[in-house]
Amino acid sequence: EDQVTQSPEALRLQEGESSSLNCSYTVSGLRGLFWYRQDPGKGPEFLFTLYSAGEEKEKERLKATLTKKESFLHITAPKPEDSATYLCAVSGAGTALIFGKGTTLSVSS
Amino acid sequence: DTGVSQDPRHKITKRGQNVTFRCDPISEHNRLYWYRQTLGQGPEFLTYFQNEAQLEKSRLLSDRFSAERPKGSFSTLEIQRTEQGDSAMYLCASSLDPTDTQYFGPGTRLTVL
Repeated sequence: EDQVTQSPEALRLQEGESSSLNCSYTVSGLRGLFWYRQDPGKGPEFLFTLYSAGEEKEKERLKATLTKKESFLHITAPKPEDSATYLCAVSGAGTALIFGKGTTLSVSS
Repeated sequence: DTGVSQDPRHKITKRGQNVTFRCDPISEHNRLYWYRQTLGQGPEFLTYFQNEAQLEKSRLLSDRFSAERPKGSFSTLEIQRTEQGDSAMYLCASSLDPTDTQYFGPGTRLTVL
C-alpha cells in the first residue's frame, strides 16, 4: 500500500535557525513527489515537484531533495512568514496524490 | 492565468440536508480532482475526472456523494443526507495532462450540525 510519513509533526524555530523536514514514502512506481504549503483555512499551495532520486529544486529559502526512500525540505534562515503546514505527497500507479499528515512549522522572531 | 476557484467557501448545514459545491479549474486543465481534508490530516482523494469522464472513485466516496463535470469544464460535488462525519474541508484540484502537478483551490469548509 502506498504510504507517506512526515516528521516531525511540529517544528518550532527561531528566525534564522535553519532546519529540515522529512518525508518518507513507500510507493509502487514513483511518478512524482510533491511539496505543498498550506496556511490555516486555505488550500495547499504548490511548491515543488521532484521526479527522480538525486533531483533538487530551490525556491527562495526552500530547497527540496529526493532519494529513493525519502525527501527533505530544507529551510534556510527562515522568517516568520514561512510559518505554515508543509505537506508532502506522492503520485504512484494511481491517479490520486497520497499525502502525509504534514509538518506544522512555527517561526518566531 | 486565474487559479482554481471554489464556491461556496463556507457552508453550514443541518444533518440530513443536501449540499452542493462547485469547482472551476484552471482554464484548459483537462483533469479535475476532489479531495477531503479533516483537521490534522492530509487531503484524501475522493474522485477524478478527465474531461467530462469520471474515471476513478475512492472507497471514501459513499453512495451519498455524487460528482459531475458536464462538458469537461466546472465540476459539482453533491452530498445527500449529510451526516456530522461529513464535516471537513472539500478541496478541488486541477492539472494539465501529461504533467501530474495538481493545483488546488481554496476549499469549501463544510460544517454539519
